[in-house]
Amino acid sequence: EIVLTQSPGTLSLSPGERATLSCRASQSVSSSYLAWYQQKPGQAPRLLIYGASSRATGIPDRFSGSGSGTDFTLTISRLEPEDFAVYYCQQYGSSPQTFGPGTKVDIK
Amino acid sequence: QITLKESGPTLVKPTQTLTLTCTFSGFSLSTSGVGVGWIRQPPGKALEWLALIYWDDDKRYSPSLKSRLTITKDTSKNQVVLTMTNMDPVDTATYYCGRRGYSYGYDYWGQGTLVTVSS
Repeated sequence: EIVLTQSPGTLSLSPGERATLSCRASQSVSSSYLAWYQQKPGQAPRLLIYGASSRATGIPDRFSGSGSGTDFTLTISRLEPEDFAVYYCQQYGSSPQTFGPGTKVDIK
Repeated sequence: QITLKESGPTLVKPTQTLTLTCTFSGFSLSTSGVGVGWIRQPPGKALEWLALIYWDDDKRYSPSLKSRLTITKDTSKNQVVLTMTNMDPVDTATYYCGRRGYSYGYDYWGQGTLVTVSS
């Protein structure tokens, strides 16, 4: 089973700032099948990034993903008020298709 | 337009079996590469992947829950059913179903259904 670790646990930033979120896997993620999701309170997760670096349909270009192997990063170039949420990474290349514990981005 | 919706009981007693149905529209589970999975989230906690069924009836389960889970599909009804036996209060969570696109991750999700396990 691939274990995903996300850091930091909480990121306190102001609107307009850059956010950098990390996701590290315990072993190499097959075919870079690494996704990032955003979740707001009371809502289902929303797919942001798939294949480590491809933006899902309708996702603004301030969201970008990078990385391969065991180290992945989600970057939000300039935080908008609606970006304050919890972000999860998930590997879906092998079963079980594990999620990380999440990073909460809150307003400083 | 792709939609998914979970349905099932909101309250189950300990030791009972939970049956959840995911009813979807806008895609077919007979399309190559497509799957429907179940993910849960205890209140205030992280997402936990449970199970996945592919278009070709290949099934995958979380190893820690495999003995308790069964996932099936009815392609003609556009439904996927998850059963979980021997429910316990720690299984209290919001249960989501999601479409697993070929290489896209889980690109569409249902709204989730909160299941409480209590006597």
